[in-house]
Amino acid sequence: LAKTTQPISMDSYEGQEVNITCSHNNIATNDYITWYQQFPSQGPRFIIQGYKTKVTNEVASLFIPADRKSSTLSLPRVSLSDTAVYYCLVGTYSGAGSYQLTFGKGTKLSVIP
Amino acid sequence: NAGVTQTPKFQVLKTGQSMTLQCAQDMNHNSMYWYRQDPGMGLRLIYYSASEGTTDKGEVPNGYNVSRLNKREFSLRLESAAPSQTSVYFCASSGRGRFQLGYTFGSGTRLTVV
Repeated sequence: LAKTTQPISMDSYEGQEVNITCSHNNIATNDYITWYQQFPSQGPRFIIQGYKTKVTNEVASLFIPADRKSSTLSLPRVSLSDTAVYYCLVGTYSGAGSYQLTFGKGTKLSVIP
Repeated sequence: NAGVTQTPKFQVLKTGQSMTLQCAQDMNHNSMYWYRQDPGMGLRLIYYSASEGTTDKGEVPNGYNVSRLNKREFSLRLESAAPSQTSVYFCASSGRGRFQLGYTFGSGTRLTVV
C-alpha cells in the first residue's frame, strides 16, 4: 500500500485559501488519490478523489501533477467550520471490486478568526 | 437519513468480557469496513468485507472477529476484551467502481475496557 506524507498541522485565517500538499512517492498505476475530513467525535467524511490533473467539486479542488507523486488539496476561502483534520489517502485496488484506504495521522487545520 | 448506523454509541467493558459491535448500511453498498482510531492517531483497518460472503484481515485484526451477516450488516466481535482495545471504532461502507473510494462512515462506538 502506498504511504502518504503530509504536514502535521497548519493554521490559516478566515477567508484565505488553504493548500495542503501530500506526497505519495510509491503510488501505483491503478491507485487513486482521495481526501477525507474529520471533525472531533465524528467519522471521516469523503471530500474529493482524483487520478491525475485537476478535479473540482463544490467543496474543494484537487491538483495532481503528471508524475502523480504528490497531490494538493485546495480549500477556497476557509471559515471557522473548516477546522478539522484532513487525511490524504491512496486507494489501492485489493481485488474483488474493493479499494483499500490506509489512513495516516492527517493534517490538523486550525482556522483563526 | 440514509447512511451507516452503529450500535452502541458507548460501551464500558471489563477485561475478559466479550461484546459485538453492530453496523448496518442502507445504501446498497457492496463493501464494508471496520476501523479503530486511538487518540491523536489516524484510523487503522481491522477487517473488511469486499462483498457479501467474504471477509479479509486488515492491518490490526488480532483480538477481533467479524461477520458479514448479509449485504446490509457487518458486525465486529471482541471475544475477550483487553485494555489495549480501548478505542473509537468506526464502521464504513463503499459502493462499486469509482465510488469505491467514497467511503461513508458511521458516527463511531466509543469503547473503554477497564
